[in-house]
Amino acid sequence: SQTIHQWPATLVQPVGSPLSLECTVEGTSNPNLYWYRQAAGRGLQLLFYSVGIGQISSEVPQNLSASRPQDRQFILSSKKLLLSDSGFYLCAWSGGQGARGLIYEQYFGPGTRLTVT
Amino acid sequence: LAKTTQPISMDSYEGQEVNITCSHNNIATNDYITWYQQFPSQGPRFIIQGYKTKVTNEVASLFIPADRKSSTLSLPRVSLSDTAVYYCLVGGYIPTFGRGTSLIVHP
Repeated sequence: SQTIHQWPATLVQPVGSPLSLECTVEGTSNPNLYWYRQAAGRGLQLLFYSVGIGQISSEVPQNLSASRPQDRQFILSSKKLLLSDSGFYLCAWSGGQGARGLIYEQYFGPGTRLTVT
Repeated sequence: LAKTTQPISMDSYEGQEVNITCSHNNIATNDYITWYQQFPSQGPRFIIQGYKTKVTNEVASLFIPADRKSSTLSLPRVSLSDTAVYYCLVGGYIPTFGRGTSLIVHP
């Protein structure tokens, strides 16, 4: 069966410090990978998605970046955190992008709660 | 990308049927409709997906009228554990979540 891992579970970082969140998927190959952020009381904001190794698409320009060094590994990074980067970060995978108009089911990781102080 | 509109919040009581309606007036011909459920401090979980008429699974039913400009998620006999945020997604190359509907089930 497929599983998705995220770490760390919680993180408290000062403003201006770097960030690295890691997500790995097991039990599947060539998944589509996604990073979302959810601010307190808000909906999910798609940050990045990737359809393959080294292929990253950014949905929201900001001080975050993403990389996919291996097929089932997705990393979210920042060189200097802002207060506004606080939130709940979720990684997700799907089996692919279906026919036009069809959304493949996404599977989400446990999330990372980031607090920037 | 079809825009969706859902109520921000709903309240219900245990044992009642809950219907959450999502409006998507500019849905494209090929677009499917998908619903997710999210509990606090967890990622969303797929509930149901459909294209037209009615879809039912062990958790919920999805009703889609002929014009497909709206859809209704029906949760039968809700319990306290159904308290969550429910998201409606429509078509799209990339899944896009709005703010969803916060359902609170009272004893």
